[in-house]
Amino acid sequence: DIQMTQSPSSLSASVGDRVTITCRASQGISNSLAWYQQKPGKAPKLLLYAASRLESGVPSRFSGSGSGTDYTLTISSLQPEDFATYYCQQYYSTRYTFGQGTKLEIK
Amino acid sequence: QITLKESGPTLVKPTQTLTLTCTFSGFSLSTSGVGVGWIRQPPGKALEWLALIYWNDDKRYSPSLKSRLTITKDTSKNQVVLTMTNMDPVDTATYYCAHRNRYYDSSGYYRDAFDIWGQGTMVTVSS
Repeated sequence: DIQMTQSPSSLSASVGDRVTITCRASQGISNSLAWYQQKPGKAPKLLLYAASRLESGVPSRFSGSGSGTDYTLTISSLQPEDFATYYCQQYYSTRYTFGQGTKLEIK
Repeated sequence: QITLKESGPTLVKPTQTLTLTCTFSGFSLSTSGVGVGWIRQPPGKALEWLALIYWNDDKRYSPSLKSRLTITKDTSKNQVVLTMTNMDPVDTATYYCAHRNRYYDSSGYYRDAFDIWGQGTMVTVSS
């Protein structure tokens, strides 16, 4: 299995802040990475794929970057609706794996 | 518009077999590149991918659960069924099904993510 490790596990920030979440794969995944947002009691929502490609309808304040084993999700200016848990997921291997999640909380 | 909905028992006893059905609309599971996956989430914990079935009936399973899982599809009914044997209290979770369509986008980027999810169904394993 490809292991996905996110950091930090939790993060406190304020509206308007710029935040970055990191996802590290246990082996190179050639940008085959997706990011999801999940709010309490709801299903995850796809934000980005191919590490940096914004899913249709997702605000441009979300962006992704990275290569090889290391990837980041950046929210340029936090909005109240962005407080949620974020997950990365690799699809380099068809034994898909998710990171453990990063909970973004209001400071 | 693509929609998916999970159905099945809310409570199962330890050692029993769980059968979950994902009923979908807005796409065909006979279209090249399309798949339906199952993902679960124990209360307060992370997402865990379980299984995926492709349009061509190819199947993939989580290595750690492979011996307990079976995924099948009924294209005519627009349904995907997941069975999990020998249920245990640690299998208590919300179970989601999700649509996946792999392709290269207009800029040549490879897309293979779960883009539309069902609402999830909570399954409790308890005697």
